[in-house]
Amino acid sequence: DAGVIQSPRHEVTEMGQEVTLRCKPISGHNSLFWYRQTMMRGLELLIYFNNNVPIDDSGMPEDRFSAKMPNASFSTLKIQPSEPRDSAVYFCASSFGLGAAYEQYFGPGTRLTVT
Amino acid sequence: QQQVKQSPQSLIVQKGGISIINCAYENTAFDYFPWYQQFPGKGPALLIAIRPDVSEKKEGRFTISFNKSAKQFSLHIMDSQPGDSATYFCAASEETSGSRLTFGEGTQLTVNP
Repeated sequence: DAGVIQSPRHEVTEMGQEVTLRCKPISGHNSLFWYRQTMMRGLELLIYFNNNVPIDDSGMPEDRFSAKMPNASFSTLKIQPSEPRDSAVYFCASSFGLGAAYEQYFGPGTRLTVT
Repeated sequence: QQQVKQSPQSLIVQKGGISIINCAYENTAFDYFPWYQQFPGKGPALLIAIRPDVSEKKEGRFTISFNKSAKQFSLHIMDSQPGDSATYFCAASEETSGSRLTFGEGTQLTVNP
C-alpha cells in the first residue's frame, strides 16, 4: 500500500522565491496534517484539515504561509515569499478520522533550504 | 510555549540494555499520550500510546509507564537492539482539541552493538 506521498523530497530556493510543497494522503483518510521540524523548535503542527476543510491553522507562523486542500487526495503548503528561517523539514501526515487517537501516518518529508 | 518536556536529549545504551526516556507535561486536560519513533530521513511513526486510565502499557519490548499525579510518563525499551537506534518523541493531546498533538523535543537513542 502506498503511504503518504510528498513532493519534492528536497527543495533549495533563494530568499524571496515562492515555494510549494505537495502532499497526497493515504486513500480513505479524511484528515491531513502539515508539520514543520527544526532543531530549534522540534516538531510543530502548522495546520490540519478534516474532509478538506481547515480545522486548526493556529500553528501557521505568519501570512507568508498558506495551505489548501482542493480535494481528498491532494494538499499544498505554500510559502511566499520564502525566508532563510523557513529552512526545515516539512512533513505531511494523514489519519482515518478526526481525533488524537486516530493514528497519524507521516510522509517522508520535504527538506527545504532557503538561501 | 513548550507543554511537553522530554529528557534526555540523547541516550547511548549497550545492546541488551534498557533505554528509558522521560516526559513531563503541564496541561492536566491531556488525555492521550503517544510515542513516535523516527529513523533518519523518514517521517515519525507511531510506536505505542497510552491513556491516563491505566498506569502501564506494554507492547513487546516497549512499555509506557504513566504517573498521572506527577504528570509524567516514560518509555522503556527492554533488551535494546541496534535497530532501535532512532529519535523518539513523546506527545500529548486532549480529545477536545481534536487532532492537535503537542510533541516533546525528542531523544536521540543510540544502541551500540
